[in-house]
Amino acid sequence: EVHLVQSGAEVKKPGESLTISCRTSGYTFSRNWITWVRQKPGKGLEWMGRIDPTDSYTTYSPSFQGHVTFSVDKSASTAYLQWDSLTASDSAMYFCARHGISSQNWFDPWGQGTLVTVSS
Amino acid sequence: QSVLTQPPSVSGAPGQRVTISCTGSSSNIGAGYDVHWYQQLPGTAPKLLIHANTNRPSGVPDRFSGSKSGTSASLAITGLQTEDEADYYCHSYDSSLGVVFGGGTKLTVL
Repeated sequence: EVHLVQSGAEVKKPGESLTISCRTSGYTFSRNWITWVRQKPGKGLEWMGRIDPTDSYTTYSPSFQGHVTFSVDKSASTAYLQWDSLTASDSAMYFCARHGISSQNWFDPWGQGTLVTVSS
Repeated sequence: QSVLTQPPSVSGAPGQRVTISCTGSSSNIGAGYDVHWYQQLPGTAPKLLIHANTNRPSGVPDRFSGSKSGTSASLAITGLQTEDEADYYCHSYDSSLGVVFGGGTKLTVL
């Protein structure tokens, strides 16, 4: 069975850096992209972008380009989402999901989510 | 404002049928890109409900069905149950914007 397990909740201060993880199992990691989705409290889903574990090729949504970085560790079948300098507006739940190898494909399954709180 | 438009809320009594619409444009749904649907129960991660317009993953009850026509798609739920109370999101691809989601629809089972 395919599983995506995300790292735990984080509380950070503005300006701090942060990396959260998404550990996968139950399938060949390089055969699917990993997509990242943000959900602010009480709001809808926002696609942040995706990474191809085969070659770490990334596509970022324009709304997130330059503010976050995706990476993978193929040996650990794990994807990462990184911020160099957090702001309060980054407070949200973040989900990773397995993404078929086409931009049209669906997301399945999803990780359980990582809650990020940025507050001074 | 989301690229794909969904009604903010729908409601129905147990046993009834409800539909949730997802309206796009000629650069996404109307361009032939597939539509997928997700169910998000309170406090949980989204779960795939329908993929590629009409296909139900294994384990999803046949009470859930999807359709697509022109620049719109719909999710139908028949035989409403209290456990169907959740947020529902449509998802497609836009030739200019990339992956896009609908704004989400809250289903209330009366």
